[in-house]
Amino acid sequence: AQKITQTQPGMFVQEKEAVTLDCTYDTSDQSYGLFWYKQPSSGEMIFLIYQGSYDEQNATEGRYSLNFQKARKSANLVISASQLGDSAMYFCAMRGLFSSGSARQLTFGSGTQLTVLP
Amino acid sequence: NAGVTQTPKFRVLKTGQSMTLLCAQDMNHEYMYWYRQDPGMGLRLIHYSVGEGTTAKGEVPDGYNVSRLKKQNFLLGLESAAPSQTSVYFCASSYRREYNQPQHFGDGTRLSIL
Repeated sequence: AQKITQTQPGMFVQEKEAVTLDCTYDTSDQSYGLFWYKQPSSGEMIFLIYQGSYDEQNATEGRYSLNFQKARKSANLVISASQLGDSAMYFCAMRGLFSSGSARQLTFGSGTQLTVLP
Repeated sequence: NAGVTQTPKFRVLKTGQSMTLLCAQDMNHEYMYWYRQDPGMGLRLIHYSVGEGTTAKGEVPDGYNVSRLKKQNFLLGLESAAPSQTSVYFCASSYRREYNQPQHFGDGTRLSIL
């Protein structure tokens, strides 16, 4: 079994500042992938960034970076230079080699609602 | 670039009615999934399919049935809708099942059962 915990139901950040969204995970797998998705108020799920369990460097995609601390089992999302359009719900998710079943389903956290203030 | 398309986007049903949600993907993905999203609970897997003609149960399958007659389509059926099935439903697909592959989602179907 695996579990994703997002302890921040809501976060506020000033426009142009950086913000960190927390994610911790629990799995018995050695091989797994961690994902962040963005869900704006319009409802769609947008894939942002991926980190593999064997990746030695933190993943980056434009203004998004993933602060991966394997020993602490944390995979925090960092958004630099926040924009008003970043206001959305953010979900952390994972897929494990063995613990996700034959379909390698995604296990999601409960999400963090980010609000960017002008 | 259609990706994953879900129809309908919104639907209101009365208790006991039946309906089918359609998911279509044009990326030639083998794996397809149906999730439901409820407030404060993230997304939970209902059913999934690892290829044409195959389906399997996920975490919360009760009250739902699925079919994958064509590779590009994955249907989710509610035979007798209940208020507890009020939710937002997402379809997703992935090319392979490897753990390093992201799943691509449709825009969701908002379903209300009165």
